Amino acid sequence: GAGVSQSPRYKVAKRGQDVALRCDPISGHVSLFWYQQALGQGPEFLTYFQNEAQLDKSGLPSDRFFAERPEGSVSTLKIQRTQQEDSAVYLCASSLSTGVNTGELFFGEGSRLTVL
Amino acid sequence: GENVEQHPSTLSVQEGDSAVIKCTYSDSASNYFPWYKQELGKRPQLIIDIRSNVGEKKDQRIAVTLNKTAKHFSLHITETQPEDSAVYFCASFYGGSQGNLIFGKGTKLSVKP
Repeated sequence: GAGVSQSPRYKVAKRGQDVALRCDPISGHVSLFWYQQALGQGPEFLTYFQNEAQLDKSGLPSDRFFAERPEGSVSTLKIQRTQQEDSAVYLCASSLSTGVNTGELFFGEGSRLTVL
Repeated sequence: GENVEQHPSTLSVQEGDSAVIKCTYSDSASNYFPWYKQELGKRPQLIIDIRSNVGEKKDQRIAVTLNKTAKHFSLHITETQPEDSAVYFCASFYGGSQGNLIFGKGTKLSVKP
């Protein structure tokens, strides 16, 4: 596609439900990043993939958060047993290069998660 | 770890005036500083970036300056237009992780026609 595509754009979950958020990066992009953006805040790093390898998951807030990119393209961010504090916009970004400082990051429009 | 402070949180200017947004960072090892523009409900988009071996960079009406000694960098927008209205985020990369950009909290810029 022409850009980074995320789905669903909006998700409402009841507390305790599991959710899965999908990211389709730009074709051929090596790097894929997930960020969490709370209302009125800047994005916060969650995890980073280089191809299928998850090189950094230091930003994942708890073991309820899990991300994968099994074939080095599409990525899924899974949140188990959602809590109200998980409510945020989850942004995916991809880059042709490795690392955030070697090439432009292209962001998707985000998945807005609301946990009731 | 790295910390990025961004000021002001809101900025209102008249069309045609200049706007300046300032950020400070804490880790002297930081070496890459991008700026992102995010319109309401839209994705962040890179508008300009600067590396630590450069003091200033310009792209038409947008410029970024970096003072490594003082550990601050600034975004300058000249001849502002209503379409410049958006939230602007500065960010810093310090090499601790290849994915970990540290973002400021954002500046909401309003350009009044």
